[in-house]
Amino acid sequence: QVQLLESGGGVVQPEKSLRLSCAASGFTFSYYGMHWVRQAPGKGLEWVAVIWSDGSIRYYADSVKGRFTISRDNSRDTLYLQMYSLRAEDTAVYYCARFGCNGGACYSDYWGRGTLVTVSS
Amino acid sequence: ELVLTQSPGTLSLSPGERATLSCRASQSVFISHLVWYQQKPGQPPRLLIYGASNRATGIPDRFIGGGSGTDFTLTITRLEPEDFAVYYCQQHDNSPPWTFGQGTRVEVK
Repeated sequence: QVQLLESGGGVVQPEKSLRLSCAASGFTFSYYGMHWVRQAPGKGLEWVAVIWSDGSIRYYADSVKGRFTISRDNSRDTLYLQMYSLRAEDTAVYYCARFGCNGGACYSDYWGRGTLVTVSS
Repeated sequence: ELVLTQSPGTLSLSPGERATLSCRASQSVFISHLVWYQQKPGQPPRLLIYGASNRATGIPDRFIGGGSGTDFTLTITRLEPEDFAVYYCQQHDNSPPWTFGQGTRVEVK
C-alpha cells in the first residue's frame, strides 16, 4: 500500500536551517509529482511547494520562495524540503503528499502523517 | 494569486441532517482543478472530491461535489457521526500557488 513517511522535524532556532525528508513506498515514486503542505498549530492548510515527477519543474509559495528548496531522489524514493532562514511563522506540521492526475483532474491522493517543525529561540 | 473563500466558517448540525459547504474563488477555476479534502484532528487531510464532482476511491455517495466557474459546493446529504470534521477546498489552477480555502468546520449541534 502507498505510504509516505516524513522525518526531520524538530525544534530549531530562528535563522537556522532544517531538512525534511519524505520516504515513499508502495508506488512508483518516479511517476508522480509531490507536494509539501504545512499546517500551523490550530490553523488551516497552506500549500508550500511542488516538484514534478522528474524534478524538472518546481514551484513555491511566496511565503517560502528563496528560503525553501524542494528536491527529490528518485533512486531513493525520497522527497526533501530544505529550509533556510527559518522564522517563527514557519512553525507547523509539514506534510508530504503525492500529486496525481486522472483525466485532467489533479489532486493529492496520499498524504503522510506529518512532521512538526517548531522555530523558537 | 487565486483566493478561495469558504463559508460558513463553522456549521453546527445534528447527525442525519444535510450539510452544504461553499467555496468561492476570486477568479474562475476550471472544474477539473477543484478539490475537496476532509481533515479530522490529529490526522492528515483525506481526499474526498476531485474535478469538482468526482468522489475519490472509497468515499461514500452521501458526499456530493458540484459547481463551476467561481462557485463550488460540497454537500453531505445525511451527516454520519464520522463526518464531523474540517473540510477544505483547494484549486490546482494552471500556475501555482495552489491555494486552499480557510476551511469549514462541521460540528455537532
